[in-house]
Amino acid sequence: EVKLVESGGGLVQPGGSLRVSCAASGFTFSSYSMNWVRQAPGKGLEWVSYISSRSSTIYYADSVKGRFTISRDSAKNSLFLQMNSLRAEDTAVYYCARDSSYSSDGSFDYWGQGTLVTVSS
Amino acid sequence: QSVLTQPPSVSAAPGQKVTISCSGSSSNIGNNYVSWYQQFPGTAPKLLIYENNKRPSGIPDRFSGSKSGTSATLGITGLQTGDEADYYCGTWDSSLSARVFGGGTKLTVL
Repeated sequence: EVKLVESGGGLVQPGGSLRVSCAASGFTFSSYSMNWVRQAPGKGLEWVSYISSRSSTIYYADSVKGRFTISRDSAKNSLFLQMNSLRAEDTAVYYCARDSSYSSDGSFDYWGQGTLVTVSS
Repeated sequence: QSVLTQPPSVSAAPGQKVTISCSGSSSNIGNNYVSWYQQFPGTAPKLLIYENNKRPSGIPDRFSGSKSGTSATLGITGLQTGDEADYYCGTWDSSLSARVFGGGTKLTVL
């Protein structure tokens, strides 16, 4: 069974840093590209970042470019998002999502349950 | 402001059919595949449609997708109260080098 479990969320002050993690199991993690997607309270989905299976290709949304860093550790079957210079507008549930096994079309076939990041003083 | 435009809400009666539109441009929908997701409150999104019109295993054929030009449509037939959820379209935007979502559509089954 494919499982994605996020952790590391919490309350952080504006300007602060936080690292969220995603533990993957039930599939060959090193073979899949991964993503972070966030959802602010009561709002829609916003894609945040993408990392290819071997970390050779990385993309970021303009809203986080220069502040967030995506990475992965295939030996630990884990995905990470280092978030620096956090702002109130970064408050959201952060989901990790796997690139689909059905297609290379950029869809996401498995999602974690999410971890809440709250940026507030 | 989302790159892809969806109606905020749609509604229909049980047993009826509803369609949800997703409008974009040549840099996203016009030249890339569209996927659709279903999300119930407090839960993670679920993939409903990939490659414009294909269903993952386990998704009933009441759900369908189509694409024409720079717009895509999700169709749901035989509506059930259990279909009440938020629905999102998504695709790749070649100009932004980013994956993008629509703003989401809340489906109400009256």
